[in-house]
Amino acid sequence: SQQGEEDPQALSIQEGENATMNCSYKTSINNLQWYRQNSGRGLVHLILIRSNEREKHSGRLRVTLDTSKKSSSLLITASRAADTASYFCATHPYNTDKLIFGTGTRLQVFP
Amino acid sequence: DAGVTQSPTHLIKTRGQQVTLRCSPKSGHDTVSWYQQALGQGPQFIFQYYEEEERQRGNFPDRFSGHQFPNYSSELNVNALLLGDSALYLCASSSGGLVEPQHFGDGTRLSIL
Repeated sequence: SQQGEEDPQALSIQEGENATMNCSYKTSINNLQWYRQNSGRGLVHLILIRSNEREKHSGRLRVTLDTSKKSSSLLITASRAADTASYFCATHPYNTDKLIFGTGTRLQVFP
Repeated sequence: DAGVTQSPTHLIKTRGQQVTLRCSPKSGHDTVSWYQQALGQGPQFIFQYYEEEERQRGNFPDRFSGHQFPNYSSELNVNALLLGDSALYLCASSSGGLVEPQHFGDGTRLSIL
């Protein structure tokens, strides 16, 4: 079963706009990771945020983590057509050695 | 520096057959995990290997088995294939387990007829 639920399932925006994706999970975690997947390809790691961190930045990406609400968000600023992909959150539950992926958000950025 | 490589890229099998998928981790990585991704879904964790031992297993039947070799490469074996086993099978590697980012291969697309 998948621990993460992502919202929205699909998102369409114009280039230059910001895109926000949300992820909710169920159990205590060591860390939460965000990945991007282009159609038919493998996943590419974007950001890892540990359970004792609240916010992290990487270039145009900003990730927040609220462990009290068991939720995370990924913000992509000034989006580009090349950002078109599926985005997944993945949690590393406490006391396990597995990564549990969410259902994903399909982002379409129009030129 | 080669990343994670998986072979074959595509495979077609029939129900009841057996299949072996292969993964070479990124150089310097010692931990390999396998995932099954059905169309339109997120990846589902199958198992993780470290030091040639299965360290953690997801909710998959015993028909799914694996192996890690001394050079850290890994195989995923699936017996008695079912139509529902059709999926993209992804391999990921890391050094330090899941506290570090996972590096994924492009997967093996398995189709069961």
